[in-house]
Amino acid sequence: KAGVTQTPRYLIKTRGQQVTLSCSPISGHRSVSWYQQTPGQGLQFLFEYFSETQRNKGNFPGRFSGRQFSNSRSEMNVSTLELGDSALYLCASSGDLSPGANVLTFGAGSRLTVL
Amino acid sequence: AQKVTQAQTEISVVEKEDVTLDCVYETRDTTYYLFWYKQPPSGELVFLIRRNSFDEQNEISGRYSWNFQKSTSSFNFTITASQVVDSAVYFCALSEATDSWGKLQFGAGTQVVVTP
Repeated sequence: KAGVTQTPRYLIKTRGQQVTLSCSPISGHRSVSWYQQTPGQGLQFLFEYFSETQRNKGNFPGRFSGRQFSNSRSEMNVSTLELGDSALYLCASSGDLSPGANVLTFGAGSRLTVL
Repeated sequence: AQKVTQAQTEISVVEKEDVTLDCVYETRDTTYYLFWYKQPPSGELVFLIRRNSFDEQNEISGRYSWNFQKSTSSFNFTITASQVVDSAVYFCALSEATDSWGKLQFGAGTQVVVTP
């Protein structure tokens, strides 16, 4: 079955712009999580959505937002881009077993470069 | 505070050698899960193994094995008879039941380089 699909794979933006990244989860998965990966901070949790509701949130400023649609597809948006937002943004989906037990299946990521 | 520590930044081995990756974690929860993920150069994190806090039985799965010891808060991972395709960054991760929807706390990762 198809894996987690993220688009676009690569993009370049300039400071002050905004960006929207898309994630299509594995069919049947209703939970979608987003992570930011940078060389300095490593892998950091952004937020998680389930049934169109944000269920958990990491420690990121309000410039980072997301949403989930009724078909479980998710988007994340970063407004007023800063140089430090350059990163690999990973999306993951999972079934909904119990808190903590879910195995996350990751997409290949969207690599954002901010100039 | 760092909840997952992978002290090894990089390990280089020759093919067929065994590789052991160290992971130390910190949590106050009694229910938690530990994971190992692999990230090859393509960037996609690939799930390898999961253990819950109530199951300290160590297992072997193919060339992979793990050693979970609650007494020392360690969850080490071994690749036996390494192959070039094992070259990747390996991440240990913790999920705590009290704050865990979708949230894994990752270590900094260990780069494994396997040369022929």
